Amino acid sequence: EVQLVESGGGLVKPGGSLRLSCAASGFTFSSYSMNWVRQAPGKGLEWVSSISGSSSYIHYADSVKGRFTISRDNAKNSLYLQMNSLRAEDTAVYYCAREPAPYYDILTGYNYYYMDVWGKGTTVTVSS
Amino acid sequence: SSELTQDPAVSVALGQTVRITCQGDSLRSYYASWYQQKPGQAPVLVIYGKNNRPSGIPDRFSGSSSGNTASLTITGAQAEDEADYYCNSRDSSGNHLGLFGGGTKLTVL
Repeated sequence: EVQLVESGGGLVKPGGSLRLSCAASGFTFSSYSMNWVRQAPGKGLEWVSSISGSSSYIHYADSVKGRFTISRDNAKNSLYLQMNSLRAEDTAVYYCAREPAPYYDILTGYNYYYMDVWGKGTTVTVSS
Repeated sequence: SSELTQDPAVSVALGQTVRITCQGDSLRSYYASWYQQKPGQAPVLVIYGKNNRPSGIPDRFSGSSSGNTASLTITGAQAEDEADYYCNSRDSSGNHLGLFGGGTKLTVL
């Protein structure tokens, strides 16, 4: 069964740090890009960061650039998010999500991009 | 524009058809993907590309796109379809799936 399980969330004070993990199973982890997506209480989804299968390509949302670091260990089938200088506005449920290689539709000539598997999330609360 | 815009809320009578839309400049270059999220649960992919459904998604869910607007249509809405729906697209740089719409809360009456 394809599965993603996040862990590492908790309560942290402003300015503090936290490291989230996402354990993958049931698929060839190194073949997929991975994403972190968060959702603040009562709010919508916000993309946080992505990393390619070989870690060659890494991207961050402007809201976390310089504070968060995404990484992965393909030997351990694990994705990480190191979060430093945390702020109250980082309070959210953090999901990891799998992104397959683009699907090329020969009929349309377009590549399709999407996140097809999501974990259940881990909650991060930043509060004094 | 680096945004995707969705109507905050839409309602549909049980068994009727509803369309949820998503607008943004990025949709002129990339097809949207659509996610369903029920309270307390993780998002679930329901549509990707022009009109592709992952395994297990009922065929009452369909997608379409024209210009800068992507649409998710539910034909014969069921009570279990009541949820929040989010569109997602590559951003203008084309480097990542960094654009989410604000979400549409679908109520099935």
